[in-house]
Amino acid sequence: DAEITQSPRHKITETGRQVTLACHQTWNHNNMFWYRQDLGHGLRLIHYSYGVQDTNKGEVSDGYSVSRSNTEDLPLTLESAASSQTSVYFCASSESGGTDQETQYFGPGTRLLVL
Amino acid sequence: ELKVEQNPLFLSMQEGKNYTIYCNYSTTSDRLYWYRQDPGKSLESLFVLLSNGAVKQEGRLMASLDTKARLSTLHITAAVHDLSATYFCAVDEGGSEKLVFGKGTKLTVNP
Repeated sequence: DAEITQSPRHKITETGRQVTLACHQTWNHNNMFWYRQDLGHGLRLIHYSYGVQDTNKGEVSDGYSVSRSNTEDLPLTLESAASSQTSVYFCASSESGGTDQETQYFGPGTRLLVL
Repeated sequence: ELKVEQNPLFLSMQEGKNYTIYCNYSTTSDRLYWYRQDPGKSLESLFVLLSNGAVKQEGRLMASLDTKARLSTLHITAAVHDLSATYFCAVDEGGSEKLVFGKGTKLTVNP
């Protein structure tokens, strides 16, 4: 069955360190997204991609970067982790087209704690 | 800038009762999504609403979309404890396939 996975599921790091969160989907979807979820804010879009070599900034992109070298993966990098980046991170993917079945499928999430 | 507001943010209800969660959004869109999230878990897609007047039902949940009023509702009929979760609406931003989420409605169904 197709799925979307994230790793690690939990991560503790120190301020100033570089951290990369992995996202891998086997849906063969063109669109991939990274969100962060914080109490009181719901989900906010960090970066997104419509296909290989395409990346775009979302609402809260400062301090984050992504790259898309293939269809399946969109790793999220925190260049220099800050305590404000402590959050739960969700990756999602979707197919283009606007059909009745189209939705974003979410990964299980990564809980990141920056000390 | 698209803004999405849900209300109420917290809802405590008795089993067997009916209630409605509201989702208002600020700019034109004809694609709206409802998701469910259980504590510590990921988001599960419930409904995809793609046109004005769209209505979808699954079990005790029914979602509708009024694009002219920029309003979607999620109606709960005869609530049961298993429906306790946080429900999010999300709106497609101008057909971009980027979603803007509401802050969520935390629903607690008491026996």
